[in-house]
Amino acid sequence: EADIYQTPRYLVIGTGKKITLECSQTMGHDKMYWYQQDPGMELHLIHYSYGVNSTEKGDLSSESTVSRIRTEHFPLTLESARPSHTSQYLCASSVIPGTGDLPTEAFFGQGTRLTVV
Amino acid sequence: EDQVTQSPEALRLQEGESSSLNCSYTVSGLRGLFWYRQDPGKGPEFLFTLYSAGEEKEKERLKATLTKKESFLHITAPKPEDSATYLCAVQFSSNYKLTFGKGTLLTMNP
Repeated sequence: EADIYQTPRYLVIGTGKKITLECSQTMGHDKMYWYQQDPGMELHLIHYSYGVNSTEKGDLSSESTVSRIRTEHFPLTLESARPSHTSQYLCASSVIPGTGDLPTEAFFGQGTRLTVV
Repeated sequence: EDQVTQSPEALRLQEGESSSLNCSYTVSGLRGLFWYRQDPGKGPEFLFTLYSAGEEKEKERLKATLTKKESFLHITAPKPEDSATYLCAVQFSSNYKLTFGKGTLLTMNP
């Protein structure tokens, strides 16, 4: 079973509040990701990181920001939450394969269901 | 543009009624195809990785196969606990990003 944890599992918050979604993994994976998923829709990559002090924006534009100060920790922050940010946020991690090696699977946390009212 | 399409969108089966889920992709260079299972309100759970055409993987009642343009997830004699959304994801290039399909919602009749 994958050791990747997200907190909180559910969050209901008012418009304009600052929020941080936590994600931690104990597998020592270098690569970490944040995905956004609306009900019945596909996962969209919003941020990823290759390792400490590395962050990149994903395919879906997002007003959120991320940081990677420690290998095991990859928090996502929204400075001012809006109803349009209501969604499920999924964190994942994977091993970066060696040169010429095949890609490896990503392991996901249980997700944070965010509702902005 | 690289795309992943899953069909059908939804599938309802009787217990013991075998079926197949499809994942097709348009790709400029497939590096790996991944199958996941997702239960409502939870994160995806990894099932299989496939790398090259002709490859097959099995786990209990599930069997995944890969051709040059699509993958199938075969479910043999499914049970009620197999109800879930099955997601297909493809890694197209060496930047480790996964492109997901919308999934197939499998519902087992009680």
